[in-house]
Amino acid sequence: IQMTQSPSSLSASVGDRVTITCQANQDISNYLNWYQQRPGKAPKLLIYDASEVETGVSSRFSGSGSGTDFSFTISGLQPEDIATYYCQQSHSLPPTFGQGTRVEIK
Amino acid sequence: EVQLLESGGGLVQPGGSLRLSCAASGFTFSNSAMSWVRQTPGRGLEWVSAINGGGDGTFYAVSVAGRFTVSRDNSKNTLFLQMKNLRAEDTGLYYCAKEPGYTYGTGNWFDPWGQGTLVTVSS
Repeated sequence: IQMTQSPSSLSASVGDRVTITCQANQDISNYLNWYQQRPGKAPKLLIYDASEVETGVSSRFSGSGSGTDFSFTISGLQPEDIATYYCQQSHSLPPTFGQGTRVEIK
Repeated sequence: EVQLLESGGGLVQPGGSLRLSCAASGFTFSNSAMSWVRQTPGRGLEWVSAINGGGDGTFYAVSVAGRFTVSRDNSKNTLFLQMKNLRAEDTGLYYCAKEPGYTYGTGNWFDPWGQGTLVTVSS
């Protein structure tokens, strides 16, 4: 299954609402996870099953969608949110990732 | 706290071999499936291999099947990836990652990830 994220990069101001989309090339129900990768660090799970926020993750991160179209939102961008964000489908094996969206501060 | 620490990466010539290790702590290792995921400039994040909690099931990406072997030593809480016949396209940062259940399968996710170990295949 191919996962396509958009945009590939974005620049926003502190406090802005930021939305990233992820599209699958076939129906994956809600088997969609989101990760944050800060510069020089390993990916970190933020959202699983499309909308479930991982324990300990800030409530300003949220996810939605089902089927083929999904979105990830940061409600109030903070400097520590500078990172690349990836979606990953777990509906079919092997698991596959989107190409990533780099988020920068304007 | 769950921790994963990879080691064993390095520079190797095409056709060579390397063995990666991932030391786990902070959870019951034998209860969790584990995966290897690599990150390369060309292909981004790519799942490579997985193994069930008891070692009773191993799985590979098509790109590495027949060249890589995943294994684990549950008595030492350690995951391994033996890589043979390495190619330039295997160059990348290799992460081990924990899965939420005993078996590798659909509906899973990777949490947490280790810090990664760099593999460079070049002459």
